[in-house]
Amino acid sequence: TQLLEQSPQFLSIQEGENLTVYCNSSSVFSSLQWYRQEPGEGPVLLVTVVTGGEVKKLKRLTFQFGDARKDSSLHITAAQPGDTGLYLCAGARRRGSTLGRLYFGRGTQLTVWP
Amino acid sequence: DTGVSQNPRHKITKRGQNVTFRCDPISEHNRLYWYRQTLGQGPEFLTYFQNEAQLEKSRLLSDRFSAERPKGSFSTLEIQRTEQGDSAMYLCASSPRNTEAFFGQGTRLTVV
Repeated sequence: TQLLEQSPQFLSIQEGENLTVYCNSSSVFSSLQWYRQEPGEGPVLLVTVVTGGEVKKLKRLTFQFGDARKDSSLHITAAQPGDTGLYLCAGARRRGSTLGRLYFGRGTQLTVWP
Repeated sequence: DTGVSQNPRHKITKRGQNVTFRCDPISEHNRLYWYRQTLGQGPEFLTYFQNEAQLEKSRLLSDRFSAERPKGSFSTLEIQRTEQGDSAMYLCASSPRNTEAFFGQGTRLTVV
């Protein structure tokens, strides 16, 4: 069973459009991370959100953690072809003071056409 | 500043052979994780270490799989008697504290 559900699974848009990717769960997480992965490579960490309601911005990317810490969203403004990739959300349930396992969603494959 | 290093990057093996992968974490990261990723899926947790202690193992980690981190630095993941279903990307990650994990480039295993 997938603890984190990501939607949509695939997204194909034109350069300049805006998009939002969703990551939902019925479980509470102590933190949530977003990664971007290129074909044949490992995931690259984009951001970590830890506080319910937290919003973080990374250039044209805006990440939000839900108030109840069960969901998150990634919004990209004015998408560019360089944004193409697999976007993964991953939730952590902290054990003591250190990071336990991460629970990953299936990912959203984003393709941005010039 | 070196990231997580995994070797080899690619491995092709015949069914029934044993394979071993190596992961060198970021220096001074005490947590080290192994994940497996198949096409169209997110990474699935296999096991993790805090220093040299293996703290948790997934049910995915059958008795053909074994992981070690003998000196609390690098780690190895061995798969014995490989099966075609073992074909996947094997990812290693390390973490210095309680909120972030950094991944290596992965080892792509193909069992023929």
